[in-house]
Amino acid sequence: DIQLTQSPSSLSASVGDRVAITCRASQSVTKYLNWYQQQPGRAPKVLIYGASTLQSGVPSRFSGSGSGTDFTLTISNLQPEDFATYYCQQSYSIPRTFGQGTRLEMK
Amino acid sequence: QVQLQESGPALVKPSETLSLTCTVSGDSISTYYWSWVRQPPGKGLEWIGYIYYNGGTNYSPSLKGRVTMSVDTSRNQFSLNLTAVTAADTAVYFCARERRGRGDCDYWGQGTLVTVSS
Repeated sequence: DIQLTQSPSSLSASVGDRVAITCRASQSVTKYLNWYQQQPGRAPKVLIYGASTLQSGVPSRFSGSGSGTDFTLTISNLQPEDFATYYCQQSYSIPRTFGQGTRLEMK
Repeated sequence: QVQLQESGPALVKPSETLSLTCTVSGDSISTYYWSWVRQPPGKGLEWIGYIYYNGGTNYSPSLKGRVTMSVDTSRNQFSLNLTAVTAADTAVYFCARERRGRGDCDYWGQGTLVTVSS
């Protein structure tokens, strides 16, 4: 199985800040890396697929980069609704695997 | 608008079988991969597996032997069976649509909490 390690596990930030969350894979997943946002009590929502493609309807302050084993989700100009938990997921191989999550909290 | 809705018992006894169904509306089930993902209370996401409309499946090795999935194209539904459950299987279970060729899940059900307890 491909292991995904996210850092940091938690992060405090303020509205208007720019933050970055990284995801490292235990082996190359090429560009098959997706990012999700999950609000408490809700289903995950895809933000970025294919490492850097913004899902339709997702604000442009979200961006993704990387390939191979190292990936980054960047959120610019944080908004109140962005405080949530973020997960990376690889869809390069079976079984699909998720990172452990990064909790983004308001400072 | 694509919608997915999970249904099934909220409480299952240890050693019994957990059975859930996901009903898809707004799209034909005869495309995409149809997935199950679970999340124990307060923890992260775990992929269970997916099924294709023709019945082809892929399951997580960690659950292999206990999990089976099926699809009913006439009802636009797919199902999950997990046998010999223990307290460790207590989780919110989500069904989701995985996009072929990309592998991300773009539509999700709201999730259903299944508790394993006597």
